[in-house]
Amino acid sequence: RKEVEQDPGPFNVPEGATVAFNCTYSNSASQSFFWYRQDCRKEPKLLMSVYSSGNEDGRFTAQLNRASQYISLLIRDSKLSDSATYLCVAGEYGNKLVFGAGTILRVKS
Amino acid sequence: DADVTQTPRNRITKTGKRIMLECSQTKGHDRMYWYRQDPGLGLRLIYYSFDVKDINKGEISDGYSVSRQAQAKFSLSLESAIPNQTALYFCATSQVRQSDTQYFGPGTRLTVL
Repeated sequence: RKEVEQDPGPFNVPEGATVAFNCTYSNSASQSFFWYRQDCRKEPKLLMSVYSSGNEDGRFTAQLNRASQYISLLIRDSKLSDSATYLCVAGEYGNKLVFGAGTILRVKS
Repeated sequence: DADVTQTPRNRITKTGKRIMLECSQTKGHDRMYWYRQDPGLGLRLIYYSFDVKDINKGEISDGYSVSRQAQAKFSLSLESAIPNQTALYFCATSQVRQSDTQYFGPGTRLTVL
């Protein structure tokens, strides 16, 4: 079983749609959580950190449920430029990151 | 200029050859990491280093070795490359605090024939 599991997609959505990604993590000792974005053949870049209280950054909202070991990302008003692979990440002791395999998002006009 | 650089960006080699991938950073971070990425598997940690004298194995270190030549430099070696080491390799850096972001280099695409 993978430590961080995500639906690989692809999610094909029209511009302006709201889309939600979910992921689960298996290590209850994980201490930090993130969503990274990766464009095709490029390096991953931090999109946002995820907290139990939830956090919002413009059109993006991330949520953590520690009891269920579940992380979510909501993207509102999707743009063409949001097309990418979204990586769910759990951080362990020593700043080691465990990555999910990623969810592909394709936003179409 | 990029904060984290990797050389080479692309490399094709043959089975049995020794390969070195290099990573340099200008961010002043103490921690450096090597990952490989394969389709459907996500990024997996090969080795990581918390400072020049501290090197640790990651999830998939077999067949790889590393050298931390300085705070800013962290090299990954494949002593005898094999085809299943064909992958996209990323170097990353971070600061000391637990929740700090990791910053990735642009990646090295390695093909072993």
